[in-house]
Amino acid sequence: DAGITQSPRHKVTETGTPVTLRCHQTENHRYMYWYRQDPGHGLRLIHYSYGVKDTDKGEVSDGYSVSRSKTEDFLLTLESATSSQTSVYFCATAGTGDNSPLHFGNGTRLTVT
Amino acid sequence: AQSVSQHNHHVILSEAASLELGCNYSYGGTVNLFWYVQYPGQHLQLLLKYFSGDPLVKGIKGFEAEFIKSKFSFNLRKPSVQWSDTAEYFCAGKADAGGTSYGKLTFGQGTILTVHP
Repeated sequence: DAGITQSPRHKVTETGTPVTLRCHQTENHRYMYWYRQDPGHGLRLIHYSYGVKDTDKGEVSDGYSVSRSKTEDFLLTLESATSSQTSVYFCATAGTGDNSPLHFGNGTRLTVT
Repeated sequence: AQSVSQHNHHVILSEAASLELGCNYSYGGTVNLFWYVQYPGQHLQLLLKYFSGDPLVKGIKGFEAEFIKSKFSFNLRKPSVQWSDTAEYFCAGKADAGGTSYGKLTFGQGTILTVHP
């Protein structure tokens, strides 16, 4: 595995509060991704990064922002949490190379009440 | 729009039964396809991948998948399942565009496999 640590593992927060999830990797992978997993939807890409300070939107980016100030850290922020953002969030990384697979972290279960 | 569809939401089998999970994709151009497995309470792990070449791909734990371009399919198979194969299985795909597309996967909805001993 790519040494991916997500924190926190579980969080309960109230509607309207900001929340930041952290992804830390030790493999020096260039690419990092945030996905959310919801029943019946599989995984959907929120944001991704292709280098320090280089990020872009994914399929379901509304209400989320990201930052990557160091290669090893990729932060996902819910600017004002809503109940629809209750989900399991997975961070993933990939190295360069055409055959580089995705490596996933263990996920963060977020509940917005 | 690019999409990946898995038609079976929940499959229930007995040990030693054969498995086939369906996956269809809609992509223009060259496509890379993957199967991931998620065991209960764990993160996703790569089972196998197809980039090019032999359309029959062998993966870990005895799984294989066949890329059939004419049918836009990439079905996962295993000749004899075990109780330990109980998990959720995800098909995923991406356009073969290199660069930032490396991890920009489109996932299917997932298929839960339950294997009874």
